[in-house]
Amino acid sequence: SQQGEEDPQALSIQEGENATMNCSYKTSINNLQWYRQNSGRGLVHLILIRSNEREKHSGRLRVTLDTSKKSSSLLITASRAADTASYFCATGYTGGFKTIFGAGTRLFVKA
Amino acid sequence: DTAVSQTPKYLVTQMGNDKSIKCEQNLGHDTMYWYKQDSKKFLKIMFSYNNKELIINETVPNRFSPKSPDKAHLNLHINSLELGDSAVYFCASSQVGRGLETQYFGPGTRLLVL
Repeated sequence: SQQGEEDPQALSIQEGENATMNCSYKTSINNLQWYRQNSGRGLVHLILIRSNEREKHSGRLRVTLDTSKKSSSLLITASRAADTASYFCATGYTGGFKTIFGAGTRLFVKA
Repeated sequence: DTAVSQTPKYLVTQMGNDKSIKCEQNLGHDTMYWYKQDSKKFLKIMFSYNNKELIINETVPNRFSPKSPDKAHLNLHINSLELGDSAVYFCASSQVGRGLETQYFGPGTRLLVL
């Protein structure tokens, strides 16, 4: 299966702390994306990193990609209660029509 | 304006019935998708359409038949519903091929088969 795996499955932290989520995948990719899903809602795109990039920032988000280890991490700095959600990594492949989603990390930020 | 919309939002039906879910996007994208999210939040692609043509069919049972009347619409018809079809179904769209692989998701249709 090409399905990615995310680690941890669930994460509970205090407001203000940093949250790190990891994603591993099995085959070569064109890009890797991170999405957020609030309870009962659709997924919202956060950030995309291409296979030739190693790090990307967007506001309080930092994404790294290590293609040699087939892994990526998402760091959310100075977390807020509003960051409570499920976070999914998604791998994109050449051709672009198929995106494989990981199982997600459920983040709970306590106020 | 809602970028990707789905109807209905909730669908409760009996086993054996036939039902349809509709999806529309106003983003001008060429590619649309259907995903199934199960109770464990696992999100799996079902179909991908590009310019009204089927590109990906991920070994979905024949009971599921997508239809794309135009680039802005991708509907999903399900025949002979089974208990295992209960899930949340998400429609999404993107513009593949111009480095814009970001997918925009609809709010989901929660299907419960009794």
